[in-house]
Amino acid sequence: EVQLVESGGGLVQPGRSLRLSCAASGFTFDVYAMHWVRQAPGKGLEWVSGISWNSDNIAYADSVKGRFTISRDNAKNSLYLQMNSLRAEDMALYYCAKDAQGEQSFFDYWGQGTLVTVSS
Amino acid sequence: DIQMTQSPSSLSASVGDRVTITCQASQDISDYLNWYQHKPGKAPKLLIYDASNLETGVPSRFSGSGSGTYFTFTISSLQPEDIATYYCQQYDNLRLTFGGGTKVEIK
Repeated sequence: EVQLVESGGGLVQPGRSLRLSCAASGFTFDVYAMHWVRQAPGKGLEWVSGISWNSDNIAYADSVKGRFTISRDNAKNSLYLQMNSLRAEDMALYYCAKDAQGEQSFFDYWGQGTLVTVSS
Repeated sequence: DIQMTQSPSSLSASVGDRVTITCQASQDISDYLNWYQHKPGKAPKLLIYDASNLETGVPSRFSGSGSGTYFTFTISSLQPEDIATYYCQQYDNLRLTFGGGTKVEIK
């Protein structure tokens, strides 16, 4: 059974940093691309960042480019999102999502999300 | 970035009704278009991939069609458990984007 478990969310002040993690199990992690998708309160889904199976291809939404860094550790079956210079508009539920392919395409499994609250 | 314009933003229909949602891309994305269902408090669920392919285990009342810039998603007979927000998503390039979502309610 595919499982994606996010962690690392919490309350953080504007301008500070936070690192999200996603622990994956139930599939061959190093074959598939992975993503972070978020949903701000009362808003729709927003793709944040994606990373290919071998980390060769990485992309970010304009809203986070230059502040967020996605990475993965295939030996640990883990995905990460380093979030720096956090803003109020980054407050959201952050989902880890598994891609159906090795390069960015669509999301066939999702975690339950970790909540990031940005407030002073 | 490729913009995805989804409509309507919300709709209300009766059980058994046929429901159609559209998604328009700002440029040609071939058939790189997927549809998700999102219920409150749950993780989103993939329903349709590559415009018209039904994900395994998804009821056949859900379908998708289209290519290029114009796509449609249809629920042939709306059921109470279909109450959710539905999103389209493109993957024509590495920077993926979602449509704004369509909230489906029962009349």
